[in-house]
Amino acid sequence: DADVTQTPRNRITKTGKRIMLECSQTKGHDRMYWYRQDPGLGLRLIYYSFDVKDINKGEISDGYSVSRQAQAKFSLSLESAIPNQTALYFCATSDQSSGAQYNEQFFGPGTRLTVL
Amino acid sequence: AQKITQTQPGMFVQEKEAVTLDCTYDTSDQSYGLFWYKQPSSGEMIFLIYQGSYDEQNATEGRYSLNFQKARKSANLVISASQLGDSAMYFCAMREVLTCFKTIFGAGTRLFVKA
Repeated sequence: DADVTQTPRNRITKTGKRIMLECSQTKGHDRMYWYRQDPGLGLRLIYYSFDVKDINKGEISDGYSVSRQAQAKFSLSLESAIPNQTALYFCATSDQSSGAQYNEQFFGPGTRLTVL
Repeated sequence: AQKITQTQPGMFVQEKEAVTLDCTYDTSDQSYGLFWYKQPSSGEMIFLIYQGSYDEQNATEGRYSLNFQKARKSANLVISASQLGDSAMYFCAMREVLTCFKTIFGAGTRLFVKA
């Protein structure tokens, strides 16, 4: 089973609709992240959370909100979707404990969102 | 501010040859980490290699090595003996202590391996 899962994997929606993307992890990591990927721009950080009570804005948080429901769950919401939010969205986790060797990020499979 | 620059949008390499993917970074922090990730056409992100700012030796992981030149702020990925399966998008990323370990990514380089 995948350690970091995202639902849905694909979603087509219309302008103005509210959308929630969900992320769950079984790795036991404390840190979770949401990125969006656009061609030519790489991955840009939307929000990140270092524990359940800690939520931080990333580079491009406008138009998005997040909720860290539990250590294992981190959801991303688009309150009123617009076409330029069409992108591939990734959830990631990392372990910042002293036992982690590189503290690299582990990514989910991505959610392809299209806003018409 | 943090910044990662990958100047090669696309690269071609002949199978079995070595290829270098460029990455430069900008930071005012003395403590940071540099990462390379691979994204094949299937879309998943795969961690390849890590270099810490205080590491004196260049990192190596199998056919991957990181050419770390701290004074020039560059962290180029070298792939030796390229294989067809190396065709993918490659991202350089940096994490600083000053920004509470937030990781930022470059725009990526698409590598094409020719048979």
